[in-house]
Amino acid sequence: GDSVTQMEGPVTLSEEAFLTINCTYTATGYPSLFWYVQYPGEGLQLLLKATKADDKGSNKGFEATYRKETTSFHLEKGSVQVSDSAVYFCALLRNSGNTPLVFGKGTRLSVIA
Amino acid sequence: NAGVTQTPKFQVLKTGQSMTLQCAQDMNHNSMYWYRQDPGMGLRLIYYSASEGTTDKGEVPNGYNVSRLNKREFSLRLESAAPSQTSVYFCASSEAGPGEVGYGYTFGSGTRLTVV
Repeated sequence: GDSVTQMEGPVTLSEEAFLTINCTYTATGYPSLFWYVQYPGEGLQLLLKATKADDKGSNKGFEATYRKETTSFHLEKGSVQVSDSAVYFCALLRNSGNTPLVFGKGTRLSVIA
Repeated sequence: NAGVTQTPKFQVLKTGQSMTLQCAQDMNHNSMYWYRQDPGMGLRLIYYSASEGTTDKGEVPNGYNVSRLNKREFSLRLESAAPSQTSVYFCASSEAGPGEVGYGYTFGSGTRLTVV
């Protein structure tokens, strides 16, 4: 079945460091890919998405590129802030039928000043 | 503000008690979902409703029932709570209808349930 694998956390970075959170997927066909962010005590919020190969999703300084050849959708940010501390979830949605989002297990990011 | 509203935010139950978690969305979304979040497990789908009048099982449906009361509301019921159901429960909705793709989900703020 469909699945998403994320790098295990927690990830701890200093402010202004470069961030990469790896995400790879297994799916039939070419799914849509998403990154969600969960701040402490809150629900998940959509951070960015890409619906086809080579698309780049971006939002709030975060970027991810849909790489069909490596089945990956790695999340990057050039300079993290303390306010970016959160749990990040990679997810896929199959582009056929009506199957729900499949989530990775999440990666906790802590940014220290 | 438009969005997904979950009630209650916190609940403590004794083993064997029953309760219903409520979820309502005011975005005229077609699809609604219930997930549970446990440490180290990510989000796991319990049940979903692709459209009003339909419901389907997800990855972990045992011990739960759902009702899609109307297009706005999707409730989750625990008939006989067990300690293994201690978790944070999230409701979500999507404007995607059957066969439509590429839409993200809007999540509620969650219900933290403890079963003792």
